Amino acid sequence: DAGVIQSPRHEVTEMGQEVTLRCKPISGHNSLFWYRQTMMRGLELLIYFNNNVPIDDSGMPEDRFSAKMPNASFSTLKIQPSEPRDSAVYFCASSPQDYGYTFGSGTRLTVV
Amino acid sequence: AQRVTQPEKLLSVFKGAPVELKCNYSYSGSPELFWYVQYSRQRLQLLLRHISRESIKGFTADLNKGETSFHLKKPFAQEEDSAMYYCALRDSSYKLIFGSGTRLLVRP
Repeated sequence: DAGVIQSPRHEVTEMGQEVTLRCKPISGHNSLFWYRQTMMRGLELLIYFNNNVPIDDSGMPEDRFSAKMPNASFSTLKIQPSEPRDSAVYFCASSPQDYGYTFGSGTRLTVV
Repeated sequence: AQRVTQPEKLLSVFKGAPVELKCNYSYSGSPELFWYVQYSRQRLQLLLRHISRESIKGFTADLNKGETSFHLKKPFAQEEDSAMYYCALRDSSYKLIFGSGTRLLVRP
């Protein structure tokens, strides 16, 4: 099992551009989570899905952020338009119902 | 309100010294608690969970419901233990709520 796969590993973009982060969860895991990690705020849950359905998006900071999970094997987190304060490491994690999460390697986003 | 508190941002010890990383929680139900470790610029990895009552890499953690704590301990720290450690609580909706993390630095 390759684990949770995120792409790209690094993304540098200019302010105002659209950014799309991708995640492939572990097969059979029915929950998927997007977290943002910064020095100032630590790990923040942005949104999570259960069986491909968004359950709680209260952590999504603004309307500029959106997330989708069109099927059980793929999810995207989109920022449009991006701003410098969005610079962070974005982690995706998946989980079966009764265990801890498995995290991906993260996408390090830099908005200049 | 559900909350996980890790009071120490940084804990520095010498190799071979005992380590205790503090974690306190606030939760109205029956908590499920975890410790995650993040080595430099790597993904978070599950270290242990209270249900398993296991010892991983020499680390143990005991849930104390009276003190609402889940401190992580190791009797003899090693340099390779240097990392960020996150305590987390899973609520009834299966969300993981993380503490702010403690950076453990083990000096030679």
